[in-house]
Amino acid sequence: AAGVIQSPRHLIKEKRETATLKCYPIPRHDTVYWYQQGPGQDPQFLISFYEKMQSDKGSIPDRFSAQQFSDYHSELNMSSLELGDSALYFCASGQGRYEQYFGPGTRLTVT
Amino acid sequence: SQQGEEDPQALSIQEGENATMNCSYKTSINNLQWYRQNSGRGLVHLILIRSNEREKHSGRLRVTLDTSKKSSSLLITASRAADTASYFCATAPLYDKVIFGPGTSLSVIP
Repeated sequence: AAGVIQSPRHLIKEKRETATLKCYPIPRHDTVYWYQQGPGQDPQFLISFYEKMQSDKGSIPDRFSAQQFSDYHSELNMSSLELGDSALYFCASGQGRYEQYFGPGTRLTVT
Repeated sequence: SQQGEEDPQALSIQEGENATMNCSYKTSINNLQWYRQNSGRGLVHLILIRSNEREKHSGRLRVTLDTSKKSSSLLITASRAADTASYFCATAPLYDKVIFGPGTSLSVIP
C-alpha cells in the first residue's frame, strides 16, 4: 500500500539558511500534519492542513511557514535556520481527522 | 499539559521476559496508537486501538485500552534484543491531531 512520502530524507544546512521539506500524503488523504522531534524528545505538533486550508497550529516558530497545494502535497518552509532547528521532521496524512499515518521523516541538521 | 503520559520512562529487562508500558491520557479519544522508534530513526506504527475496543493483538504485542481510566498498556511478550527502542503512545482526541506521550525507553539485554 502507498505510504506517506517525505523528501528529502536527510538535509544539512548552515545557520541562517533556508530549508524546504516536502510531504506527499497517501492518495485520497486530505489532511496533512507536521511534527518536529528534537533529540531525545517526543514529536511535537507544528501545523496541520485540511483541504488545503490551515486547520490547526501548534508550536511552529514564526520563521517557519507551510502550505498544502492543490494536489494535497505539503511543504514546510524554514527560514533563518538555527542550530536548535536540527531535528527529525515528520509528516502525517489522514482522511478527515482520523487515523494519521506517518512518513519516514526528514532529518534536518543545521551546522 | 501533555495529552499522553507514559510510564515507566525507562525499562530494562532480560531477553525472553515480558515488557509492559503504560500510557495515560486526559481527554476523550477517537483512537490510541503505539509507535516504536529506534534511536534517531523514523516512527514505526505498531498498533491502533479504537475507543470502542478493549484489547488488540499483533504478533507478540498486546494492547489494552480502558477508556474509563483513560489508560492503555502495551505488552511485549518474549522480548528480544531487537525490541530495544523507544515506545510512544499517541492519542487522537476527538476531531483533533495526534498527540504523543514522552515515550518509554526499553532496553532488552541479551
